[in-house]
Parts: sequence; C-alpha cells; structure tokens
Amino acid sequence: GAVVSQHPSRVICKSGTSVKIECRSLDFQATTMFWYRQFPKQSLMLMATSNEGSKATYEQGVEKDKFLINHASLTLSTLTVTSAHPEDSSFYICSARAGGGYTEAFFGQGTRLTVV
Amino acid sequence: GQNIDQPTEMTATEGAIVQINCTYQTSGFNGLFWYQQHAGEAPTFLSYNVLDGLEEKGRFSSFLSRSKGYSYLLLKELQMKDSASYLCAVFSGGYNKLIFGAGTRLAVHP
Repeated sequence: GAVVSQHPSRVICKSGTSVKIECRSLDFQATTMFWYRQFPKQSLMLMATSNEGSKATYEQGVEKDKFLINHASLTLSTLTVTSAHPEDSSFYICSARAGGGYTEAFFGQGTRLTVV
Repeated sequence: GQNIDQPTEMTATEGAIVQINCTYQTSGFNGLFWYQQHAGEAPTFLSYNVLDGLEEKGRFSSFLSRSKGYSYLLLKELQMKDSASYLCAVFSGGYNKLIFGAGTRLAVHP
C-alpha cells in the first residue's frame, strides 16, 4: 500500500507552547487528509478533514483556533496544537487518501503528544 | 446524526472462528472499512465493502448489508497475533468524512 509518514512519532512539550505535527504522503498525491485523536483504549475521533488548497472542515467541538490545520500541498498537511495544555496529551493520527471517488485511506504512524 | 456500534470486547480460542459485528447509521454512505489496530500503533487496512455481499481475503472476510446498516468481519483460523482492536469505519458525507466506531478489542487465547 501507499506510504504516509507522520513526524514526530513522540513529542513532549511544556504547557503553553505550540507543537507542529507533519503528515506526508510519500508516493501519492493526497487530495484529502483526515486528522484524528485517540485516547487510551478508545477509538479514533475525527478532528477535521482537510482538502488541498482549502480550509479544513472541523468536527463539532473541535476548536479550530487551537488545532490549526494547513494542507498547502498535495503531499503535506500539518496540525499545530497551539497553547498546549495537559489535557491535549493524546495520540494524534493522520490519514490520507487520493481523490477520484473511492480510494483507501492510508494512515501515518501516529504522534504521541505529552504536555507537561 | 452519525452512529457506529460495535461490541466492546470479545474473546476467542486459537484456531477458532470469530465474527465481529458493526451497525451504522450515517448521513450518506460511501463504503465501510475494517481496520486492525495493535496497541500504540496506527490502524492497518483489512477490507472495504461498498456493495452488499461478502468479500473474502485469506483468513479475513467482510460482509455488508446496506439496507440493514450492518457489516461483520469474520476471522478464521485465529492466531495469537490476531489479538488486537478491530475498527469499523464508514465513509459518509461524500468522501470527506471517515468515521470510526469505538472498536472491538479481541483477545485470542490458547
């Protein structure tokens, strides 16, 4: 299958700082990227969907000013957690799919964020 | 609203067969995925169904009934390494929403 690279895999940051997570599709053009967060022993909660060149669509209850998503190219989307708090500590996973009707969504490796 | 239901936990014996059910109610439907996820890792793709019926792929099969909003994942000849969470996910709202169920934690024991 196609490869989606997510970086960093783990990050520890101090409260009040910002953290950027990158998601890259390495061998295909991702017209759509999904950002999820996952708490221990829970499923993936969709945070937002981003389409290349347009603003992200956020799910209800997700603060767009806190979780900044940029999808500036067909191979890169970034999620920036601004003014991080300990409750933002979670596993963040991106998923990317090519366009044109059905195509499988491929997942990045995930980023374990710990805010201290 | 969107709702995807799966059993929370299941246990099964090595070598046996297990069926994991998923029911969904979503605004629009463009296909259903099954993913496997081991603890601390990203999900890996198992199957995709968009038409009614059974799709078989090795030890894993997936079934879909769109009229009933129902799918199941069938795992045959269970192995210890099949112990993982199994996630049902639905494309709804066109292809711009991939929504996951809560996942089913499967424990395979000798």
